[in-house]
Amino acid sequence: EAGVTQSPTHLIKTRGQQATLRCSPISGHTSVYWYQQALGLGLQFLLWYDEGEERNRGNFPPRFSGRQFPNYSSELNVNALELEDSALYLCASNMGTNYGRDGYTFGSGTRLTVV
Amino acid sequence: RKEVEQDPGPFNVPEGATVAFNCTYSNSASQSFFWYRQDCRKEPKLLMSVYSSGNEDGRFTAQLNRASQYISLLIRDSKLSDSATYLCVVISGNFNKFYFGSGTKLNVKP
Repeated sequence: EAGVTQSPTHLIKTRGQQATLRCSPISGHTSVYWYQQALGLGLQFLLWYDEGEERNRGNFPPRFSGRQFPNYSSELNVNALELEDSALYLCASNMGTNYGRDGYTFGSGTRLTVV
Repeated sequence: RKEVEQDPGPFNVPEGATVAFNCTYSNSASQSFFWYRQDCRKEPKLLMSVYSSGNEDGRFTAQLNRASQYISLLIRDSKLSDSATYLCVVISGNFNKFYFGSGTKLNVKP
């Protein structure tokens, strides 16, 4: 069974540009979660999508947005990139709202560097 | 106050030692608890769930103390390969609010 896949693995952008990160959940998983992990810091929750809808949002500015497609894959968009957006962006998936008790599985992440 | 707090460490222990980490949480209504392991520059991987009755998986034992609002992870007979950052995760609010601790770094030395 394929795990959570993220693309690209690395992304370099200049300040002010936009970045698009993609995530495909494990087959059968309907929920996708996005996290930001800056170097040496903990995971910060960004967004949660379930069944195509945004269910919860972390404490991030509106230039961080995303969506979930009918096939449950998701993309994260970061507009007007700032240097401090440089981080590892992790996507995780599980079977949805009532399956939080099972934890979730992470993808290997996209490392975004803003120069 | 943070939802979930962990001692960042590092915990430097010799091979074969027993080491324990705690993770405190602030929401008494929290429902699910997990320990994840994260290797340097890699994604977190689920290590074990934490059940109310406590659970054990080989050298690893996880416990939940609801009265004091903390979970613990005990590692016996530490191996060099146990060196990693251990993250606790607490899920609250009908499974739709989840909080990661900032992680505890463990270094197991030969």
